[in-house]
Amino acid sequence: DARVTQTPRHKVTEMGQEVTMRCQPILGHNTVFWYRQTMMQGLELLAYFRNRAPLDDSGMPKDRFSAEMPDATLATLKIQPSEPRDSAVYFCASGLEQFFGPGTRLTVL
Amino acid sequence: GENVEQHPSTLSVQEGDSAVIKCTYSDSASNYFPWYKQELGKRPQLIIDIRSNVGEKKDQRIAVTLNKTAKHFSLHITETQPEDSAVYFCAASKSDRGSTLGRLYFGRGTQLTVWP
Repeated sequence: DARVTQTPRHKVTEMGQEVTMRCQPILGHNTVFWYRQTMMQGLELLAYFRNRAPLDDSGMPKDRFSAEMPDATLATLKIQPSEPRDSAVYFCASGLEQFFGPGTRLTVL
Repeated sequence: GENVEQHPSTLSVQEGDSAVIKCTYSDSASNYFPWYKQELGKRPQLIIDIRSNVGEKKDQRIAVTLNKTAKHFSLHITETQPEDSAVYFCAASKSDRGSTLGRLYFGRGTQLTVWP
């Protein structure tokens, strides 16, 4: 059963702390997307990669967010420093049809 | 960029009735239109999609129609059941930098409630 996995599933942290979220795309998928979902903004695209290269990260606040794909089996989204307004569910999606991972629910106090 | 609008934002139907959700898009180059279902606390899941060379596609109780001229597409659910209750998102995409598909532009979602 090929699925996208994300860790951690839940994260509670204090303002100013670094947060790292990880995503393992479906094997063989060369396109990976990061989304943020909130009640107010809906699903927002933060960044996406193809063949590990960033194609579009215009939705990401550059001063505190960074996204990388160190290898084909791992994508990371980092927030440093985190702020309460970053509280949201962060989804990774894999493949052109975008199969979503279970999400990381982030709460920044 | 592309702009996808989705209506209605909420929809309540009685079990057994049909439900229709409509989306419009702005970029005539868009050629791929998926629909996602998101149950409370879970991930969005692809339920059906359609490409621009097709006008209609069915999968059991769900169907999607596409009108390229008018730039709108719709999701139809027949014989609704309580387990169909969820948020439904439409999206649009087009070929991107040599790939068959690029990023998705999502609608804001429709909360469907099916009453038993």
